[in-house]
Amino acid sequence: DAGVTQSPTHLIKTRGQQVTLRCSPKSGHDTVCWYQQALGQGPQFIFQYYEEEERQRGNFPDRFSGHQFPNYSSELNVNALLLGDSALYLCASSLVGLTYNEQFFGPGTRLTVL
Amino acid sequence: QQPVQSPQAVILREGEDAVINCSSSKALYSVHWYRQKHGEAPVFLMILLKGGEQKGHEKISASFNEKKQQSSLYLTASQLSYSGTYFCGTETSGTSGSRLTFGEGTQLTVNP
Repeated sequence: DAGVTQSPTHLIKTRGQQVTLRCSPKSGHDTVCWYQQALGQGPQFIFQYYEEEERQRGNFPDRFSGHQFPNYSSELNVNALLLGDSALYLCASSLVGLTYNEQFFGPGTRLTVL
Repeated sequence: QQPVQSPQAVILREGEDAVINCSSSKALYSVHWYRQKHGEAPVFLMILLKGGEQKGHEKISASFNEKKQQSSLYLTASQLSYSGTYFCGTETSGTSGSRLTFGEGTQLTVNP
């Protein structure tokens, strides 16, 4: 049973560039949440995708956008990168309709902005 | 608003016990506990729902006081593998798949 996968593992970009991160949810899951985790901090919620639509959004600017595909995989796009966007980006998947909203995390993408 | 975890850090010897607390200023639907080792993804440990239901690993126990909006994670007879940073994530809505708000973490070190 495949868990949550993310690509790439690491990424180095310069200020002003754009980046796309990818996530494949755990088999059988239909919901994807994206989180940003700065060094030494807890994960911060960016947004949630379900049925190919953004359902909930955290306190992140419009430079952060996403997409969910019919196979439930998802992308996170960040435009006009800032130094402060350097972080570990985590994707978590879950299945709507269950009593327990267990979210399973992928290994993350480490983004460094120079 | 993010939940507050305490303590921020704790050092144990193998076999000792520890309690990690998580407190929220908002009414909670559920509390989720995760452990994250350096450079790795957070690993699900336990979920506690308003109303008393819970689900998690057999060797992990936790409590959820809905009135006080507090949860505690109990680590007994600690092992070296318990080392890592523990996060509580809180959910204020019962909507499936809804967002988790995480605390800043408690760093646990278990020494031989």
